[in-house]
Amino acid sequence: DTAVSQTPKYLVTQMGNDKSIKCEQNLGHDTMYWYKQDSKKFLKIMFSYNNKELIINETVPNRFSPKSPDKAHLNLHINSLELGDSAVYFCASSQDRREGYETQYFGPGTRLLVL
Amino acid sequence: SQQGEEDPQALSIQEGENATMNCSYKTSINNLQWYRQNSGRGLVHLILIRSNEREKHSGRLRVTLDTSKKSSSLLITASRAADTASYFCATDVRGANSKLTFGKGITLSVRP
Repeated sequence: DTAVSQTPKYLVTQMGNDKSIKCEQNLGHDTMYWYKQDSKKFLKIMFSYNNKELIINETVPNRFSPKSPDKAHLNLHINSLELGDSAVYFCASSQDRREGYETQYFGPGTRLLVL
Repeated sequence: SQQGEEDPQALSIQEGENATMNCSYKTSINNLQWYRQNSGRGLVHLILIRSNEREKHSGRLRVTLDTSKKSSSLLITASRAADTASYFCATDVRGANSKLTFGKGITLSVRP
């Protein structure tokens, strides 16, 4: 079974559309993350949830809205997609935020292309 | 601003050789982690070293940390073609909400 899974794997859409990416982890972890990796492979954190509570919210346009219905799921909804949103989006999880439990486990990524 | 900066940006070696990759960072850290990313895949955690540790080993991997120089190195010994990937260092900054800040990565090519 895949530890951290994301759907869809590929997403091609038109500018202005609204889309969602879903993430699920079956590791029993408390903390989940969304990262964006640009074309130069630079990876930047966007959001983090701990036990369904938002704990990290980086400088991200408010067109991006995360939602955590339960500890095992963290979804990302993007409104009014722009060309610059094209990237690979990674979900990750860690057991929690305490020392000794910081290792993050990444999903396979969702490749978003906005045309 | 970026916390971790790896060098070199790209490294090409022959199978069997050792690969050394370096990472420098700017602020005090709780720990530093190295991740590997194969082409088209997610990141995989390799090793974590805490701010009070100087060296750690895991199989063919050896990581050092010099907090006075704010730098770390990752050594892969006896490299294999399967080690071809991008390698990222990530710092967990002291006092922050336990978030990882990644460098731009090093592309390692191991020639068979």
